[in-house]
Amino acid sequence: ELKVEQNPLFLSMQEGKNYTIYCNYSTTSDRLYWYRQDPGKSLESLFVLLSNGAVKQEGRLMASLDTKARLSTLHITAAVHDLSATYFCAVDMETRAYSGGGADGLTFGKGTHLIIQP
Amino acid sequence: EPEVTQTPSHQVTQMGQEVILRCVPISNHLYFYWYRQILGQKVEFLVSFYNNEISEKSEIFDDQFSVERPDGSNFTLKIRSTKLEDSAMYFCASSESFGIADLSGNTIYFGEGSWLTVV
Repeated sequence: ELKVEQNPLFLSMQEGKNYTIYCNYSTTSDRLYWYRQDPGKSLESLFVLLSNGAVKQEGRLMASLDTKARLSTLHITAAVHDLSATYFCAVDMETRAYSGGGADGLTFGKGTHLIIQP
Repeated sequence: EPEVTQTPSHQVTQMGQEVILRCVPISNHLYFYWYRQILGQKVEFLVSFYNNEISEKSEIFDDQFSVERPDGSNFTLKIRSTKLEDSAMYFCASSESFGIADLSGNTIYFGEGSWLTVV
C-alpha cells in the first residue's frame, strides 16, 4: 500500500520567513503533485514533478523531487499572508491488475495547514 | 481558462436515497476522476475513467458506486443507498493525458466539488 506522509501537518509562521514542507512516500512513483486548497474550495494545481532532481518554482514557492529518497519538498520563501492555505502532496498509485493502461489514481498526504501571520 | 464544473455544489439527502453527482470535464481531456474528501481529512481517490471504461478504482469504490459518461460532455458519479458516512466533498477531476513526458498534459484539474450531506 502506497503511503504518503507530510510534515508538518500544521505550521504557523510570520510573514517574511522561510520554511519547508516535506512529503515522503513509500514506494516508487513516476509523478508527484503539489496542490493548494483554500477553506471550502477546490484543489489548485501548483506543481507536477516527473523526474529525479526536478525543481520547479512559481513565485515564492519552489518544489523539488528526489525519487531515490522518495522525498519532495515545498519551500516557501519570504512568506506572505496570501499563501495561507492547506498544501497537499500527492503521488500516483501503483497500477493494479485491474488497470486497462489508463490513468492511475493519486494518493494524497494528509495536508499541511499553513497559517502565515502578518 | 477552461475549468472542470460540478453540479450540484451542495446536496442534502436522506439515508438510503440515491444521489447522482454531475461533472463536465475540460473539453479536450481524456482522463476523468472522482475523489472525495471527508471533512477535515485528506483527499481520497475513488475511480479513474478512460476510453469509456473504469481504469482504476480504490477499495472505497464498491458496488454502491458507479460512474458513467452518458454523453460527450458529462461524467457522473452515482451513489446508491447512501449512508451517513458517505457525507463528504466529492471532487471531479480531469487531465489531458497521463504518463507521458508532457508536463502540462499530466496536470490534473479539479472541480469546485459537490458537498454531499447524508442525514
